[in-house]
Amino acid sequence: DAKTTQPNSMESNEEEPVHLPCNHSTISGTDYIHWYRQLPSQGPEYVIHGLTSNVNNRMASLAIAEDRKSSTLILHRATLRDAAVYYCILRDSSGGSNYKLTFGKGTLLTVNP
Amino acid sequence: DGGITQSPKYLFRKEGQNVTLSCEQNLNHDAMYWYRQDPGQGLRLIYYSQIVNDFQKGDIAEGYSVSREKKESFPLTVTSAQKNPTAFYLCASSIIGDLPYQPQHFGDGTRLSIL
Repeated sequence: DAKTTQPNSMESNEEEPVHLPCNHSTISGTDYIHWYRQLPSQGPEYVIHGLTSNVNNRMASLAIAEDRKSSTLILHRATLRDAAVYYCILRDSSGGSNYKLTFGKGTLLTVNP
Repeated sequence: DGGITQSPKYLFRKEGQNVTLSCEQNLNHDAMYWYRQDPGQGLRLIYYSQIVNDFQKGDIAEGYSVSREKKESFPLTVTSAQKNPTAFYLCASSIIGDLPYQPQHFGDGTRLSIL
């Protein structure tokens, strides 16, 4: 599986935008980029996914570099409820083990009031 | 509201005892999964099932067993052969398991501890 690299932790202030980076320099052309987040003592929650183009939904935006070797999850206005561990995950669409999610340690986001 | 229900939230096991963790979903999803999470770590796949009466081992299946007799239920048994069972166990489901763009939906987990 292609690997991702994320900072261990980041801090933000409430109501400010947050940019969470993810490096995936070995990404293949068939890998989808997924983001999940996990609030304390809860199961992970799907946030967004993309393949090549930038994506927006009600929770966040996903900006994908032109060479696809990195991506950024953007929370437009952080709230205290956004404090969580954010995971960047690659899922291969070419067959094989794309049924599973391979979680790294993610980025712990702290939001200051 | 549709979702995944895991029970119990906390579970304690004595040495040599088998315990079963419950996972029920009313999302009408075909695929279901069990993951294990240790403190400060990501999730690791234990077992998954893409259809009733069929399931496959994940990366860390030793010491665990599952069944899938009904579409909505996927219980996990932690057997006495699992020597380090203390962990946070998460159940998930998805529409179809082998589509890479389908998200997985997670329950709120069961925290298992050894007495």
